[in-house]
Amino acid sequence: NAGVTQTPKFRVLKTGQSMTLLCAQDMNHEYMYWYRQDPGMGLRLIHYSVGEGTTAKGEVPDGYNVSRLKKQNFLLGLESAAPSQTSVYFCASSYMRTGLRSEAFFGQGTRLTVV
Amino acid sequence: EDKVVQSPLSLVVHEGDTVTLNCSYEVTNFRSLLWYKQEKKAPTFLFMLTSSGIEKKSGRLSSILDKKELFSILNITATQTGDSAIYLCAVGVAGTASKLTFGTGTRLQVTL
Repeated sequence: NAGVTQTPKFRVLKTGQSMTLLCAQDMNHEYMYWYRQDPGMGLRLIHYSVGEGTTAKGEVPDGYNVSRLKKQNFLLGLESAAPSQTSVYFCASSYMRTGLRSEAFFGQGTRLTVV
Repeated sequence: EDKVVQSPLSLVVHEGDTVTLNCSYEVTNFRSLLWYKQEKKAPTFLFMLTSSGIEKKSGRLSSILDKKELFSILNITATQTGDSAIYLCAVGVAGTASKLTFGTGTRLQVTL
């Protein structure tokens, strides 16, 4: 069972470069989320989607864009990377609203370094 | 602003010890509290608690929620080195955001 798959697993970017992180889930989940995890900060929500074609801002959306063109995929884009975006990024998905009736399933994470 | 606080921040115990991890929260529209275990990579789900006073149990791990006092504990008995991980507490809130608010985690190290 693949579950939630993130690509790439590691990436080093130069300041100002752009990139897209891909998240794919094979569980037919409606809800998908992008979090970032920083030391001493816990996991913080960047953007989320409640279904195909929808996106919404989370707690720390600045500098990121997302798209959910297909139900199984949720893309996170960095248009102009900054050192402050150095972090570990986690994608998650859930069948129903996370925390209401179902838990979130997480991908393996993408470690991004911006130099 | 929603807040989830975990304590202690880190803990070192010997194999066989029993540990208690704490999670307190201040959120609006509380719906549930979740515990995750994070080893090197993805957080993996342990428990979801929605009702006060009802213990959830899985093997050597158990958890209970107190909605009046706004906290939860995660107990691990007879710890093993494989329990070494970061334990994350998250609170689910109702509303359009449908998001989890996470604590910073407790890093548990179990030594031989």
